[in-house]
Amino acid sequence: EDQVTQSPEALRLQEGESSSLNCSYTVSGLRGLFWYRQDPGKGPEFLFTLYSAGEEKEKERLKATLTKKESFLHITAPKPEDSATYLCAALKAAGNKLTFGGGTRVLVKP
Amino acid sequence: DTEVTQTPKHLVMGMTNKKSLKCEQHMGHRAMYWYKQKAKKPPELMFVYSYEKLSINESVPSRFSPECPNSSLLNLHLHALQPEDSALYLCASSQGDRVVNGYTFGSGTRLTVV
Repeated sequence: EDQVTQSPEALRLQEGESSSLNCSYTVSGLRGLFWYRQDPGKGPEFLFTLYSAGEEKEKERLKATLTKKESFLHITAPKPEDSATYLCAALKAAGNKLTFGGGTRVLVKP
Repeated sequence: DTEVTQTPKHLVMGMTNKKSLKCEQHMGHRAMYWYKQKAKKPPELMFVYSYEKLSINESVPSRFSPECPNSSLLNLHLHALQPEDSALYLCASSQGDRVVNGYTFGSGTRLTVV
């Protein structure tokens, strides 16, 4: 069965304290691994797509990486506005179904 | 236009009511989705429409009825819901099979069933 697992469930950081979020997946025929940011009461906001092991993508203080079994979202020198839930999701080769992980709730304190 | 627009933003309905959620996109996307999200949980897929045809129904109860009148619109008709159906309902769209930029999500409809 396809599974996407994120850790930790919650992360409290001081402003400027860099950290990494983990997304491990067991999906047959992975077509893409997606990262989203979600603010309370809002829809997920697309951040990155990663397609193959070794790929890296960056956007401001965020950097996503992918291996054959997991993906990491690195947050460098976070600011309070980076507080959100970060979701990863896997897309199989067949069909358009995204399987989401449980998310990591990040709180960055000033 | 790079948005998915959902209406209404909030909805309170009784268990005997009939209501509809609406979703609209003008990005030329040919796949559209309904997701349900409970508090502090990830989104769960309900339905997928591909080129205006229902392609995936994740064993959703029949009290939820999707409809795709055209390539830009997606509706979710609700009837005889239960309090446990209260959740954030998210609509999303993508470029058919070319999910290069992931799904684009709307802001959701917060549904409360009383």
